[in-house]
Amino acid sequence: DAKTTQPNSMESNEEEPVHLPCNHSTISGTDYIHWYRQLPSQGPEYVIHGLTSNVNNRMASLAIAEDRKSSTLILHRATLRDAAVYYCILANAGGTSYGKLTFGQGTILTVHP
Amino acid sequence: DTAVSQTPKYLVTQMGNDKSIKCEQNLGHDTMYWYKQDSKKFLKIMFSYNNKELIINETVPNRFSPKSPDKAHLNLHINSLELGDSAVYFCASNGAFTEAFFGQGTRLTVV
Repeated sequence: DAKTTQPNSMESNEEEPVHLPCNHSTISGTDYIHWYRQLPSQGPEYVIHGLTSNVNNRMASLAIAEDRKSSTLILHRATLRDAAVYYCILANAGGTSYGKLTFGQGTILTVHP
Repeated sequence: DTAVSQTPKYLVTQMGNDKSIKCEQNLGHDTMYWYKQDSKKFLKIMFSYNNKELIINETVPNRFSPKSPDKAHLNLHINSLELGDSAVYFCASNGAFTEAFFGQGTRLTVV
């Protein structure tokens, strides 16, 4: 599985935007970029995913570099509830394999009031 | 309704015992998984079942035996528990081209 590199931790203030970077220089053409987060004492939760184009949903936006070697998860207005570990994961396009996730260390996001 | 539910939430047991963790999903998904999160918070896939058939077994000791009585259930049985089995175990499921949904986890403590 292709690997991803994320900063160990980041901090933000409440109601400010947060940009969480991820490098994946060995990404293959069939790898989708998935983001999950894990709130304290909970299971991982899906945030967003994309292949080549930028993606938006109600939780976040995903900006994907043109060469696909990096991506950025954008939380437009951080809330205290967004404090979590954020994982950037590459998953193959196989339909039944979207849950076969190789988690790295993730980025611990701290949100200050 | 909880999409992916695991029982029990907490499990404390002695070394050498045999225990089971149950998982049920009500999402109609065909694929289910077990993940293990160790004390360093590292999450790793253990098993994957698709329509009751084992498709992934990630070099897990054979003391761990998953069982899928139907596609909505995936249970994890662990024989001869060891101290190193202490971890949080997560069940997950996904449908075709859908994201994975995780349960709340079962914290297993072996003493």
